[in-house]
Amino acid sequence: AQSVAQPEDQVNVAEGNPLTVKCTYSVSGNPYLFWYVQYPNRGLQFLLKYITGDNLVKGSYGFEAEFNKSQTSFHLKKPSALVSDSALYFCAVRDRGTGANNLFFGTGTRLTVIP
Amino acid sequence: DAGVIQSPRHEVTEMGQEVTLRCKPISGHDYLFWYRQTMMRGLELLIYFNNNVPIDDSGMPEDRFSAKMPNASFSTLKIQPSEPRDSAVYFCASFQGDPGANVLTFGAGSRLTVL
Repeated sequence: AQSVAQPEDQVNVAEGNPLTVKCTYSVSGNPYLFWYVQYPNRGLQFLLKYITGDNLVKGSYGFEAEFNKSQTSFHLKKPSALVSDSALYFCAVRDRGTGANNLFFGTGTRLTVIP
Repeated sequence: DAGVIQSPRHEVTEMGQEVTLRCKPISGHDYLFWYRQTMMRGLELLIYFNNNVPIDDSGMPEDRFSAKMPNASFSTLKIQPSEPRDSAVYFCASFQGDPGANVLTFGAGSRLTVL
């Protein structure tokens, strides 16, 4: 079975400081991993994904994520947070081994960047 | 392309009434998903279609919920009769081609309030 855990419901960070939003996953095979962001009253928007290859993935708006197979983690990072980064962030996984078509989402982490 | 289009954006109804939510996927996308988002349960997959055929409806909560996709450009999610616990934001999402690393494009959502 596939599952995703985002251990923090809320992350607060000061503007200009680095940010990390944590995600761990569980799949029976190898994963495709995704990060999505949701702004108020909007649908989810794609940020970045890991397919294969380099464990460090770069995405939109300066975000990046590091795939760590041994720790089954895919933490989202940004070197310097902006107030406009404040939003709800979702990690998601699809198990490539099962050929499953659906994407399993974590419960989300609300990021607040404090001016 | 205008993206995934959902209607209505907001719906307020009374318990026992029928609710119909609508979705127009991106032209050419052959997979369509319905998700429900609540504070308590996060994002839940309700059902998804491939080439207008329902593939997995195991997430549909109960018989009060039904979904159809009569053609490639239109899908509906119906709740009859509605109950207060159905209050949530319902998202439609689509993508084209094989699953795996494909990215879901979400609509803006339909916020349902059942009184």
